[in-house]
Amino acid sequence: EDKVVQSPLSLVVHEGDTVTLNCSYEVTNFRSLLWYKQEKKAPTFLFMLTSSGIEKKSGRLSSILDKKELSSILNITATQTGDSAIYLCAVGIMGAQKLVFGQGTRLTINP
Amino acid sequence: ETGVTQTPRHLVMGMTNKKSLKCEQHLGHNAMYWYKQSAKKPLELMFVYNFKEQTENNSVPSRFSPECPNSSHLFLHLHTLQPEDSALYLCASSPLSGETQYFGPGTRLLVL
Repeated sequence: EDKVVQSPLSLVVHEGDTVTLNCSYEVTNFRSLLWYKQEKKAPTFLFMLTSSGIEKKSGRLSSILDKKELSSILNITATQTGDSAIYLCAVGIMGAQKLVFGQGTRLTINP
Repeated sequence: ETGVTQTPRHLVMGMTNKKSLKCEQHLGHNAMYWYKQSAKKPLELMFVYNFKEQTENNSVPSRFSPECPNSSHLFLHLHTLQPEDSALYLCASSPLSGETQYFGPGTRLLVL
């Protein structure tokens, strides 16, 4: 069974800290790994990763995929209270119609 | 703003009611999805439509009935639901099935 596991499930830090969120996967036929940010309702797309070792960056957020370790990390530097959200990791399966989601990491940034 | 809209945003219904959730995407995508999000559980895929044809039904009970009249619209018809069906129902779309998905704001459903 295809599985995506995120850690930690919950994280509380102070504004200005740097955080690293983890995602590991066990899937039959990997195609891509995606990160989403979910604040109130709609998950919003952050990154899609398909190649190992190539960092994707957007402002203070960055992510990298390690296909050997079957994992990815999402880094957020100089965190702000607006970064508080649930961060979802999902894996796309080759030849399948769907994404398999992890359970999410709830990140809380305290001022 | 995501380009995927859902109505209603909140819904309270009794177990004997019949209601429908609506999703519309303005992105020109060809695939649409329904997900259920319950507290402390991963997003659960319910249905996938690709070019208006249902291509995946993830063992969803028949009290949930999807309808996709065209590539831009997706409905979820609800009847005789159970309290455990209370959840956030999210619609998503992608250019083709299996590609990056863009989500709507969801409908928060409460079944009494």
